Amino acid sequence: SQQGEEDPQALSIQEGENATMNCSYKTSINNLQWYRQNSGRGLVHLILIRSNEREKHSGRLRVTLDTSKKSSSLLITASRAADTASYFCATAPNTPLVFGKGTRLSVIA
Amino acid sequence: DAGVIQSPRHEVTEMGQEVTLRCKPISGHDYLFWYRQTMMRGLELLIYFNNNVPIDDSGMPEDRFSAKMPNASFSTLKIQPSEPRDSAVYFCASSFGAGGEETQYFGPGTRLLVL
Repeated sequence: SQQGEEDPQALSIQEGENATMNCSYKTSINNLQWYRQNSGRGLVHLILIRSNEREKHSGRLRVTLDTSKKSSSLLITASRAADTASYFCATAPNTPLVFGKGTRLSVIA
Repeated sequence: DAGVIQSPRHEVTEMGQEVTLRCKPISGHDYLFWYRQTMMRGLELLIYFNNNVPIDDSGMPEDRFSAKMPNASFSTLKIQPSEPRDSAVYFCASSFGAGGEETQYFGPGTRLLVL
């Protein structure tokens, strides 16, 4: 069964704008990870946030985690056409990770 | 490191035929995962191994699916007989450690089409 659910399912923005994707989950977690999948490729790990952390940054990525609401958000600032991909959250209640269905992001140049 | 290697990259076969997908994990990784991805069902975990031993195969859809890991550097996923509904992209991933702290490294996938 899938633990994380991303929202929205699809998002289209102009280059330079910020993109925000959300992930909700159902049970307690140890950490939450975000992955990116370019068309026709495998998933690539972006960032991990632990359950005792509220916010984490990596380059143009900002991830927040609200364990009381069982939700996380991924913000991509100053988006580029190369950011066009699907983004998945993966939760770790236990081993192994449980992936959501993803948000398809399109960045239009 | 070359990353996770999967072969073949594309497979087209006819219903009833046997299909074998192959995976070489990253050297030193002790966990190996097989996933299936479709538009309808998203990314599904089929089975995973720890130190070559199958730990959880509850995601394997039917007895037609089987997976082996004879050694630390090789795993196979076999479908026999194949059916059109098995058409999907199959990913292999590996990681060092588990418990949720691990980063999974995915292969490029095998795109399977069963006619």
